Amino acid sequence: ELKVEQNPLFLSMQEGKNYTIYCNYSTTSDRLYWYRQDPGKSLESLFVLLSNGAVKQEGRLMASLDTKARLSTLHITAAVHDLSATYFCAVRGGGGSNYKLTFGKGTLLTVNP
Amino acid sequence: EPEVTQTPSHQVTQMGQEVILRCVPISNHLYFYWYRQILGQKVEFLVSFYNNEISEKSEIFDDQFSVERPDGSNFTLKIRSTKLEDSAMYFCASSDLRVTNEKLFFGSGTQLSVL
Repeated sequence: ELKVEQNPLFLSMQEGKNYTIYCNYSTTSDRLYWYRQDPGKSLESLFVLLSNGAVKQEGRLMASLDTKARLSTLHITAAVHDLSATYFCAVRGGGGSNYKLTFGKGTLLTVNP
Repeated sequence: EPEVTQTPSHQVTQMGQEVILRCVPISNHLYFYWYRQILGQKVEFLVSFYNNEISEKSEIFDDQFSVERPDGSNFTLKIRSTKLEDSAMYFCASSDLRVTNEKLFFGSGTQLSVL
């Protein structure tokens, strides 16, 4: 069974600081997703990572994928309050599945002034 | 940007009652999904649907659950006899797996409360 582990689960940062969220997964997969969720809201797609060494950036967020280590990172640069949300990584497939996404538990990010 | 729409946004029901949650996926997408999120927990896969049949389902998706695409636009999740533990936010999603860089687009969710 595919397992997806995120850490940290809770992250409190000061504005302007940098930090990284880690996502480890247990079996081979062909793609990894990062989503953002605001309280009571739906899941907003941030990045889709398809191949080893893939790096994508959008504003202050940068995601990378190392398929050999089964590790993805979401790096936050110079955090601002608007980035406060829960961030989920999700991995597709594993265990013979083609369609299912397995989510991590999420990282609740709070950016303080 | 096109979006997945879900109705109702909130549904309150009594234990043992049937509920139907409705979704309109993005129009050119062919793959449809239901996920759920119990308060404070991670998002869990329920079922995927393609070409008018279930392509995959989780152990959560037991005989009490069913999905249907009754027409060309709607996608529904039915829970036949609700239990207290079915209380959760239910998300519909759709995707176009023909696209290499495909994303899974989620609807805004239906908050189901079983009393």
